[in-house]
Amino acid sequence: GNSVTQMEGPVTLSEEAFLTINCTYTATGYPSLFWYVQYPGEGLQLLLKATKADDKGSNKGFEATYRKETTSFHLEKGSVQVSDSAVYFCALSSLQGAQKLVFGQGTRLTINP
Amino acid sequence: DTAVSQTPKYLVTQMGNDKSIKCEQNLGHDTMYWYKQDSKKFLKIMFSYNNKELIINETVPNRFSPKSPDKAHLNLHINSLELGDSAVYFCASSQVGLAVGELFFGEGSRLTVL
Repeated sequence: GNSVTQMEGPVTLSEEAFLTINCTYTATGYPSLFWYVQYPGEGLQLLLKATKADDKGSNKGFEATYRKETTSFHLEKGSVQVSDSAVYFCALSSLQGAQKLVFGQGTRLTINP
Repeated sequence: DTAVSQTPKYLVTQMGNDKSIKCEQNLGHDTMYWYKQDSKKFLKIMFSYNNKELIINETVPNRFSPKSPDKAHLNLHINSLELGDSAVYFCASSQVGLAVGELFFGEGSRLTVL
């Protein structure tokens, strides 16, 4: 079946550090890939997405590139801020219409000033 | 205006009780979901409804019964609560045919079963 594996957290960085959160997936067919973010006390929000191989999703300084050859969708940001502290979820969707998202286990990120 | 709202936010109850969580969305979406997030932050889909019709049911015990009175509401009723039901339950909505995979989530309802 479809699955998503993220690097284990928690991840703690200093402000302005470079961030990478690894994500790999297993899926049949050609899934769409997503990063969702959950700020403290809130629901999940879509951060970025890519719907086909070699697409790059980007938003708020975050980027992720859909790599079919390595089945990966790593999240990166060049310079993190304290406000980026949150839980980040990688997800895939392989069922158009039913919008069934399969999530990774989440990675908690804490940025210290 | 909250796009997807859930009530209650917190629920503490005893084993064996029956409880409900309500969800409403004002986005005009035609599809709604319930997800369960366990203590390790794993998120798993439980149910999905499209225009009040059940389209996804992920091997959830039949103690869990979703009800969709209209396409803006999807409530979750849980009978005979067990300790393992303790989790955060998220409601979400989306619109079929629009952005793939873009779900709008509520803030979650934390259920604690004692």
